[in-house]
Amino acid sequence: AQSVTQPDIHITVSEGASLELRCNYSYGATPYLFWYVQSPGQGLQLLLKYFSGDTLVQGIKGFEAEFKRSQSSFNLRKPSVHWSDAAEYFCAVVGVNDYKLSFGAGTTVTVRA
Amino acid sequence: EAQVTQNPRYLITVTGKKLTVTCSQNMNHEYMSWYRQDPGLGLRQIYYSMNVEVTDKGDVPEGYKVSRKEKRNFPLILESPSPNQTSLYFCASKGRVHEQFFGPGTRLTVL
Repeated sequence: AQSVTQPDIHITVSEGASLELRCNYSYGATPYLFWYVQSPGQGLQLLLKYFSGDTLVQGIKGFEAEFKRSQSSFNLRKPSVHWSDAAEYFCAVVGVNDYKLSFGAGTTVTVRA
Repeated sequence: EAQVTQNPRYLITVTGKKLTVTCSQNMNHEYMSWYRQDPGLGLRQIYYSMNVEVTDKGDVPEGYKVSRKEKRNFPLILESPSPNQTSLYFCASKGRVHEQFFGPGTRLTVL
C-alpha cells in the first residue's frame, strides 16, 4: 500500500529565509505527486504537481519541488518566505492507475517576523 | 466558476442525531470522494465514488454512508454521529487528469 511521510511536524522560519519541507513516499512504481497548502480556516489549495518529465516542478506562490526517484522524495522549497506562507502543507501521492489520494500527516509552518 | 461546494460549513450536533453533509461539483467529474482531516493524521479517505451508483469504502468508512444518485452530488450521511466523528470534512472531485479539487470543508462537532 502506498504511504507518505512528512518527517517534520512543525517548522519555524524567519520571514525572508528559505524553506524546505520534506516528503518521502512508499509506492511500487513512480506515483503522481502533489503538494497542497491549507491556510488557517481555509480549504486545500494545490501548490504544484508532478506527473512525469522534468523533475523540478514550479508551482504557485513561488514554490518549487524536486522529485528524486532514488530517494523516493518530493521535497518542497521556497527561496524566501513571506508571512502569508504560514500554513499547513500536505504532500500527497496517487498511483498512476489508481484514484485514491494518500496524504502525509502535514507540516505546519510558522513564519516569524 | 469551477468549484466543489459543501454545506453546511460548520455544524454542531449531539450524539445520535442523524445528519447529512451535502457536496456538489459543477465540473462534470465522474470521481468524487470524502475525506476527514484530524490533527497529526492528515486527510484520510472515507468513501469514494467512481461514477453514478458506484461507491466504495475508503480507509475509514465506519459510521458513515454515502449515495451517488446524480453525477454532481455526493452527500455524506452520519446515521448516528458519535463524538469520535468530530472532525473537518472535505469533499473532492476528479476529472480525467489526476488532480483532485477540494471543497471548502465542513467542520463538524458532535457533543
